[in-house]
Amino acid sequence: EAGVVQSPRYKIIEKKQPVAFWCNPISGHNTLYWYRQNLGQGPELLIRYENEEAVDDSQLPKDRFSAERLKGVDSTLKIQPAELGDSAVYLCASSADRAGEQFFGPGTRLTVL
Amino acid sequence: LAKTTQPISMDSYEGQEVNITCSHNNIATNDYITWYQQFPSQGPRFIIQGYKTKVTNEVASLFIPADRKSSTLSLPRVSLSDTAVYYCLVGRYNNNDMRFGAGTRLTVKP
Repeated sequence: EAGVVQSPRYKIIEKKQPVAFWCNPISGHNTLYWYRQNLGQGPELLIRYENEEAVDDSQLPKDRFSAERLKGVDSTLKIQPAELGDSAVYLCASSADRAGEQFFGPGTRLTVL
Repeated sequence: LAKTTQPISMDSYEGQEVNITCSHNNIATNDYITWYQQFPSQGPRFIIQGYKTKVTNEVASLFIPADRKSSTLSLPRVSLSDTAVYYCLVGRYNNNDMRFGAGTRLTVKP
């Protein structure tokens, strides 16, 4: 069975440019997470979806970040405009409903120049 | 959400048993304890989860004392490939709501 798929794996952009990350969770997983991980730190939750509904987006910088999960499957995380401080690894994870285990994708490493 | 505290780093040698302790003094009655492992350039991977006493799987054991204010992840006979960052998370099982801390960076030496 395929795991969580993310693309692209790497992205280099200049500041003020937009960028989007895509995530395809494990089939049947209703819960989807987006995390940001800075170097040497643990993953920081940005947003959590239960099906199509964003149930926790308290840590999402809403002035420049947006996310969507249409049809409760794939999800896209967007940053517009990107800032230097947005350079990080963006991780997507999914889990089955009411289960504790999260399955993570390989992440997208974003570099903002 | 319960806050967790772990050592920043630990060193060990191949073949030794490694114990990583996590403190979670304000753990709630409904909270479970979960440990993840993360290798460089990869996402975290689930290791083990427990509520009380002891849980063991093919990879590790998790020891939780009666007051549940701490927990210890035990890795038997570590190898070089166990070099990774280990995260302790505390949260309600049915809520999928847990937070990662900074983790413990384990380095296994030959």
